[in-house]
Amino acid sequence: NAGVMQNPRHLVRRRGQEARLRCSPMKGHSHVYWYRQLPEEGLKFMVYLQKENIIDESGMPKERFSAEFPKEGPSILRIQQVVRGDSAAYFCASSPPGRGQIEQYFGPGTRLTVT
Amino acid sequence: AQSVTQLDSHVSVSEGTPVLLRCNYSSSYSPSLFWYVQHPNKGLQLLLKYTSAATLVKGINGFEAEFKKSETSFHLTKPSAHMSDAAEYFCVVSTGGFKTIFGAGTRLFVKA
Repeated sequence: NAGVMQNPRHLVRRRGQEARLRCSPMKGHSHVYWYRQLPEEGLKFMVYLQKENIIDESGMPKERFSAEFPKEGPSILRIQQVVRGDSAAYFCASSPPGRGQIEQYFGPGTRLTVT
Repeated sequence: AQSVTQLDSHVSVSEGTPVLLRCNYSSSYSPSLFWYVQHPNKGLQLLLKYTSAATLVKGINGFEAEFKKSETSFHLTKPSAHMSDAAEYFCVVSTGGFKTIFGAGTRLFVKA
């Protein structure tokens, strides 16, 4: 059973470009969470999605950031018009239904660098 | 509201000596508590979790943690440090929902 997969592992974008980060949850997991880790800090919750639904996006910046988890395919975290402050590691986690509070499995992360 | 405080940003130990990483939490409800480890440029690995069963929780790689409600603590320990334990450790609280609150992390250095 493959773990949570994220790609790309490293992404470099110039200011103003768009960044797309992908997350494939573990098999059988229908819940996905996105977190951001700034240098020297812990992870901060961004958004929680189920298939075709955003359950909670209270941690998402109001502008430029969006997330989706379509019926087919991976979850996508999209950052439009990136700025230097968006440089961070973005982690995705997945859980089985109903167990998100006690069982989240993390992917290896995508390290975004904005130049 | 819930919060997590990791009392030390850096801990340095010699190989073969005990490890203590301290974590205090604040929660209005019965929390679930976790410790994760992150090696450089890697994802997070779950070391152990407390979910209202036994207060002394054993995890992987010889780590364990004790939930002390009266002290609102969940300190991580290991009897004997190994060089491969050098990493960043995160204490995490979750209270009845899906949101998890991460501490700021403690970086563990292990000297030969």
